[in-house]
Amino acid sequence: AQSVSQHNHHVILSEAASLELGCNYSYGGTVNLFWYVQYPGQHLQLLLKYFSGDPLVKGIKGFEAEFIKSKFSFNLRKPSVQWSDTAEYFCAVNRRGRDDKIIFGKGTRLHILP
Amino acid sequence: NAGVMQNPRHLVRRRGQEARLRCSPMKGHSHVYWYRQLPEEGLKFMVYLQKENIIDESGMPKERFSAEFPKEGPSILRIQQVVRGDSAAYFCASSPSASSYNSPLHFGNGTRLTVT
Repeated sequence: AQSVSQHNHHVILSEAASLELGCNYSYGGTVNLFWYVQYPGQHLQLLLKYFSGDPLVKGIKGFEAEFIKSKFSFNLRKPSVQWSDTAEYFCAVNRRGRDDKIIFGKGTRLHILP
Repeated sequence: NAGVMQNPRHLVRRRGQEARLRCSPMKGHSHVYWYRQLPEEGLKFMVYLQKENIIDESGMPKERFSAEFPKEGPSILRIQQVVRGDSAAYFCASSPSASSYNSPLHFGNGTRLTVT
């Protein structure tokens, strides 16, 4: 069965530290990839997405993610985090041409220390 | 331009009662997805509906759970004879068409169901 794995459940960083959140998926076909963010008390919002083209995608608020097909990975990065980045981050995958449901990982809680 | 509206935000039911969760998609969106979030388990896909049609219900429990998206009105997720294990946050998302580059999912704020 298709699955999405996020390596870290909880991450604690200080402001200005660099961030990398891991995401791997198990489906071997063509995929669409997403990162969603849920700030405290808010609904999930799309952070960035990859469908095709340049495997390095840039999203909102300085986030970027790199699709590495050979590693089935789509890691999220930010060079310098801010306290306002405290949130839960979800990686998600959709199997292109197979079905329209989006499968989410378990999420990573990011806590930034001021 | 209102986003995805879910109500109620919080719902408390006793074991054996029925729970009805409502989701009004964004204007112009005809595709609705329901997800369940349990602590430490992320978002689990439940069902994908278009107007008057269930497209994919592979994530729905076989018993007690049902979903509909009528021609008029909100999408409804119905849980009959609730049990404590049904306690979770239920999220609805909508999109204008099938998932694509130009139509990512828009999420509601969720309904937190507590079964006592």
